[in-house]
Amino acid sequence: QVQLQESGPGLVKPSETLSLICTVSGGSVSDSPYWTWIRQPPGKGLEYIGFVFSSGNRGNTHYNPSLKSRVTISVDTSKNHLSLELSSVTAADTAVYYCARGIDAAKVKTWGQGTLVTVSS
Amino acid sequence: DIVMTQSPDSLAVSLGERATINCKSSQSVLYSPNNKNYLGWYQQKPGQPPKLLIYWASIRESGVPDRFSGSGSGTDFTLTINSLQPEDVAVYFCHQYASAPWTFGQGTKVEVK
Repeated sequence: QVQLQESGPGLVKPSETLSLICTVSGGSVSDSPYWTWIRQPPGKGLEYIGFVFSSGNRGNTHYNPSLKSRVTISVDTSKNHLSLELSSVTAADTAVYYCARGIDAAKVKTWGQGTLVTVSS
Repeated sequence: DIVMTQSPDSLAVSLGERATINCKSSQSVLYSPNNKNYLGWYQQKPGQPPKLLIYWASIRESGVPDRFSGSGSGTDFTLTINSLQPEDVAVYFCHQYASAPWTFGQGTKVEVK
């Protein structure tokens, strides 16, 4: 059974870059065409960050316009992981960050446990 | 962005009774060429990631108990939990994937009365 695990610094200073890795175990990052990052501020709702969708030899990336200028999502097949970079962070970026995968946006059925990232000096 | 609004924000239901959660989108999420509503429902328990319950508005994900059902079309949708069980205590989110950026409702907390 495929499992996802997010990892990265739990504390990031304001104005710095948040970098997270989503490691895939029990399967390959190539097994699913659709990969996404979603975050959840403590005690609040879910916010879509972006996705990578691979179809054949083509890959499409979409980012939430509210974050677009600061976010990069990529899939590294050699390392079997998904990555997230969010630059120029502020306290508003404090959240639990989830990676997830599926066939497409409709069936995102495998999620990591999430990792809390706090932005603070 | 499509705004998803759920009601109520919370509800308390007796065990064995029905829970009904509503979700309204600011624009239709029905794609006419394939007649599919791009709407899903997730369940989230404390300290856990969301779990997919329903996709295409009414299709139950594999392994989800049949007491969970989704209905609706266009802009108005409903998640129904028939015969509430203790393990159903959670927050439920609707989710649209008709128009990027995908968006979620604010969540509805279901508790046992």
